[in-house]
Amino acid sequence: AQSVTQLGSHVSVSEGALVLLRCNYSSSVPPYLFWYVQYPNQGLQLLLKYTSAATLVKGINGFEAEFKKSETSFHLTKPSAHMSDAAEYFCAVSDPGKRALTFGSGTRLQVQP
Amino acid sequence: NAGVTQTPKFRVLKTGQSMTLLCAQDMNHEYMYWYRQDPGMGLRLIHYSVGEGTTAKGEVPDGYNVSRLKKQNFLLGLESAAPSQTSVYFCASSSVRGADTQYFGPGTRLTVL
Repeated sequence: AQSVTQLGSHVSVSEGALVLLRCNYSSSVPPYLFWYVQYPNQGLQLLLKYTSAATLVKGINGFEAEFKKSETSFHLTKPSAHMSDAAEYFCAVSDPGKRALTFGSGTRLQVQP
Repeated sequence: NAGVTQTPKFRVLKTGQSMTLLCAQDMNHEYMYWYRQDPGMGLRLIHYSVGEGTTAKGEVPDGYNVSRLKKQNFLLGLESAAPSQTSVYFCASSSVRGADTQYFGPGTRLTVL
């Protein structure tokens, strides 16, 4: 069975600082991996996805994530946080060929001025 | 192109009442999903559909029923609402060739008293 662990339910950074949100997964087959962002009172929006092509994936709003098979990780980073990045971030995993996503419990990012 | 829409946006029910949540998508997607989101638990899959006239159970299906009579619509029903079903409900859709990328609606906030 697949599972996703997001370390840290809350992360606080200063504006301009590095953002690092951690995601570890377990899957019996090479997975597809996703990061979604949820702004207050909105639905989820896709940030980026890994589908077995390049291991470093670039997404929207300056975010990127690196797939590391040896560490079963897919951490999300952004070099310089902006106030507008404050939101909740979800990591998700899917087995290729299956249609259901398994989500982590989410990490709420706060950006301090 | 509205994407994925959900109605209603908010609803308050009394225990034992019934209601139906409607999800509509205009992207001609084959797959549709219903999730519930609870604090600290991420999103959990309730039911999903891989095509018109077909449905399947997800991780937390008890107390819910679904129907997909038309390709563009996916209905979620609560026959006898319970306080444990207080949650935010999200609908999502994806295409067959979309590498599992799911597109989410804005959500329905349901409170059961």
